[in-house]
Amino acid sequence: NAGVTQTPKFQVLKTGQSMTLQCAQDMNHEYMSWYRQDPGMGLRLIHYSVGAGITDQGEVPNGYNVSRSTTEDFPLRLLSAAPSQTSVYFCASSYSIQSEAFFGQGTRLTVV
Amino acid sequence: DQQVKQNSPSLSVQEGRISILNCDYTNSMFDYFLWYKKYPAEGPTFLISISSIKDKNEDGRFTVFLNKSAKHLSLHIVPSQPGDSAVYFCATLLIGADGLTFGKGTHLIIQP
Repeated sequence: NAGVTQTPKFQVLKTGQSMTLQCAQDMNHEYMSWYRQDPGMGLRLIHYSVGAGITDQGEVPNGYNVSRSTTEDFPLRLLSAAPSQTSVYFCASSYSIQSEAFFGQGTRLTVV
Repeated sequence: DQQVKQNSPSLSVQEGRISILNCDYTNSMFDYFLWYKKYPAEGPTFLISISSIKDKNEDGRFTVFLNKSAKHLSLHIVPSQPGDSAVYFCATLLIGADGLTFGKGTHLIIQP
């Protein structure tokens, strides 16, 4: 039972490059979300989706895009990477917004 | 301004004793409160939760207490074990909101 799978685990980008962080879940959850965690900070919500075809912004959406074409996948795109986007990114899924969230292992991104 | 505060960045407890982790929140409308545990290089895992209509929830060695008048919740771990050493995040949820709001976390260290 894979749960929530994130790839890659580590990534180094140059300023201005773009990339996509992948997230897939096999629990048939409707709600998926992306968080970032910075040193000494809690997790902050970037974008979320309540079902296929529906996405919305969280607390810190600038510089990121998402799409939800299937229930299983919720990729996060960095359009033009900036050093301020150096962080650990977590994808999560849950049955609904009010349910306990299951997190992936995280992607550690460094932008130089 | 932080809506969820965990004022102790770290806590050291002897094995076998009680660990008490605290969390304060500012929004009296929060409906649901959760605790997550996080090991290094892993995603957070759900530990225990409590609805705003309750004041206590117990699951094995873990008990969460909610004091709505003080806008305070706490997590009690009895007895503490070495495997409990981790970062613990308090999170809150407002029905109709977009996702979880996390505190900054408390690093619990269980000493032998």
